[in-house]
Amino acid sequence: AQSVAQPEDQVNVAEGNPLTVKCTYSVSGNPYLFWYVQYPNRGLQFLLKYITGDNLVKGSYGFEAEFNKSQTSFHLKKPSALVSDSALYFCAVRTNSGNTPLVFGKGTRLSVIA
Amino acid sequence: SQTIHQWPATLVQPVGSPLSLECTVEGTSNPNLYWYRQAAGRGLQLLFYSVGIGQISSEVPQNLSASRPQDRQFILSSKKLLLSDSGFYLCAWSLSGAKGLINEQFFGPGTRLTVL
Repeated sequence: AQSVAQPEDQVNVAEGNPLTVKCTYSVSGNPYLFWYVQYPNRGLQFLLKYITGDNLVKGSYGFEAEFNKSQTSFHLKKPSALVSDSALYFCAVRTNSGNTPLVFGKGTRLSVIA
Repeated sequence: SQTIHQWPATLVQPVGSPLSLECTVEGTSNPNLYWYRQAAGRGLQLLFYSVGIGQISSEVPQNLSASRPQDRQFILSSKKLLLSDSGFYLCAWSLSGAKGLINEQFFGPGTRLTVL
């Protein structure tokens, strides 16, 4: 069975500092990994995905994520946080079939403090 | 380009009343469709998904039901709402088949339901 863990409910970071939002996964086959962001009272917005190839994936709004197969992780990173990055972030995984839904983590709330 | 619509945006309903939330997708054919519920701004609970007209998979047993009367239309219903049905309901779509494996799900703007 597929599963995703986001071990931190809340991450606080000062504006201008680097940020990391953690995600680990468990799948039986090759993982296809995704990050989404949700602003208050809005739907989820896609940030980036890892399918194959380079382990470092670059996405929207300056975010990037690093796929680490040995550690089964896909942490989201940004070199310099902005106050506007404050939101709820979800990691998700899919494997096996294109007709099965993504499996989402429980979300991590990021607060960037000015 | 593809777009996904949900309505209404907000809804306040009394306990015991019926519910109908609608989701439509434009610009694609034969999408996979999904209904999620999000409580208290936290995790997503998958309620239903559909890989084709009339095909509904239920993930959580409860007093909600879903229907897909047309290829790009997905409806979430209830005959009698409970207080616990309050939440933020999100519809999503994705490509189907092999393309669906490597492509993301796209989410609608959501419906905020309050049951009083």
